[in-house]
Amino acid sequence: DAKTTQPNSMESNEEEPVHLPCNHSTISGTDYIHWYRQLPSQGPEYVIHGLTSNVNNRMASLAIAEDRKSSTLILHRATLRDAAVYYCILTTISNYGGATNKLIFGTGTLLAVQP
Amino acid sequence: DGGITQSPKYLFRKEGQNVTLSCEQNLNHDAMYWYRQDPGQGLRLIYYSQIVNDFQKGDIAEGYSVSREKKESFPLTVTSAQKNPTAFYLCASAQGVGSPLHFGNGTRLTVT
Repeated sequence: DAKTTQPNSMESNEEEPVHLPCNHSTISGTDYIHWYRQLPSQGPEYVIHGLTSNVNNRMASLAIAEDRKSSTLILHRATLRDAAVYYCILTTISNYGGATNKLIFGTGTLLAVQP
Repeated sequence: DGGITQSPKYLFRKEGQNVTLSCEQNLNHDAMYWYRQDPGQGLRLIYYSQIVNDFQKGDIAEGYSVSREKKESFPLTVTSAQKNPTAFYLCASAQGVGSPLHFGNGTRLTVT
């Protein structure tokens, strides 16, 4: 299964941009890159996902390296509500019945936002 | 509103008892998943199901069982064979390959 590597923790100041890195050097050509975030005692929340091209939505931007071995989640203006654990994960193709969404979660990056 | 409902939010059981955690979705998603999360750790996959009446073991299936008799329901039974059942359990669903997962708010199970 393709794995991802993220820093354990990062800090940011409120209203400043945040760049959360993720390395996935063993990514395969059909793996999607997903980002989720989780607040304490809640289920993870979907943030953004992509395959090859950079992606933007109302929450964040996803910048994917040309070789796809790394990606960066960009929060354009951090707020206190963005403080959470951020997970970068890849879809994994199952050997059973074709492709599936067997997402493997690591320990993520704990983002602290200072006022 | 569409979403995933897990119940109950907190569950307490005595060691040696089986317990079933409920997960219901009204998103019309084909795939459903159960994850376990321990303090300070990421999520680990227990079981997943791509279609009704079919499911596959994840990375830590021992001591757990599931059923998928209806598209909208994917209950998880924690059996007495599970050595360390105390954990935060998360259910999720997805439309298909590459689609985002929608998570419930979890059930915190404590076994004493």
